[in-house]
Amino acid sequence: EADIYQTPRYLVIGTGKKITLECSQTMGHDKMYWYQQDPGMELHLIHYSYGVNSTEKGDLSSESTVSRIRTEHFPLTLESARPSHTSQYLCASAQGANQETQYFGPGTRLLVL
Amino acid sequence: SQELEQSPQSLIVQEGKNLTINCTSSKTLYGLYWYKQKYGEGLIFLMMLQKGGEEKSHEKITAKLDEKKQQSSLHITASQPSHAGIYLCGADIASNYQLIWGAGTKLIIKP
Repeated sequence: EADIYQTPRYLVIGTGKKITLECSQTMGHDKMYWYQQDPGMELHLIHYSYGVNSTEKGDLSSESTVSRIRTEHFPLTLESARPSHTSQYLCASAQGANQETQYFGPGTRLLVL
Repeated sequence: SQELEQSPQSLIVQEGKNLTINCTSSKTLYGLYWYKQKYGEGLIFLMMLQKGGEEKSHEKITAKLDEKKQQSSLHITASQPSHAGIYLCGADIASNYQLIWGAGTKLIIKP
């Protein structure tokens, strides 16, 4: 069973606000990921990290930023939320050199008005 | 077009019946991962396949990876209401530890 947590689970916020989505894992995994998922659509990778002080942008262009100061923590920040940011955000982590079983948090559903 | 195609997009099955979901790639799969997702929640890992011809089972769910490693199927035997949800496949096609994803198959079980 994976121990990966996301807060908040649900967030309704006005346009222009700054928000931070939290993700923490207690498994000591080096790799962490942020995905965006819209209903009926595939997951899109927006950011990933292979360890402390390592962050990379994924395939989906995003106006968000991430940081990885501690192994267990990988927050995602939107400096100025817009209605187009409305989506579900999923955090995942993985450990292992040769395989990539990712374990997911419960997700944050974001609605920007 | 998607690199990883899942079919069908949705499926309604009578409780007790068997069903199959497919995941097809145009590229060789270095690893294929099956997950289940309940609406609005995170993904639950089911199984991972790596070798051509590999087959794994967990309870009433069996996943196979074909010999050419370009298609995987997920088979549920004697479906139950607890099987309802969205099934997603994720694939490592470049051996770079990043996954691409299918759009999911929504499974509804009719009592």
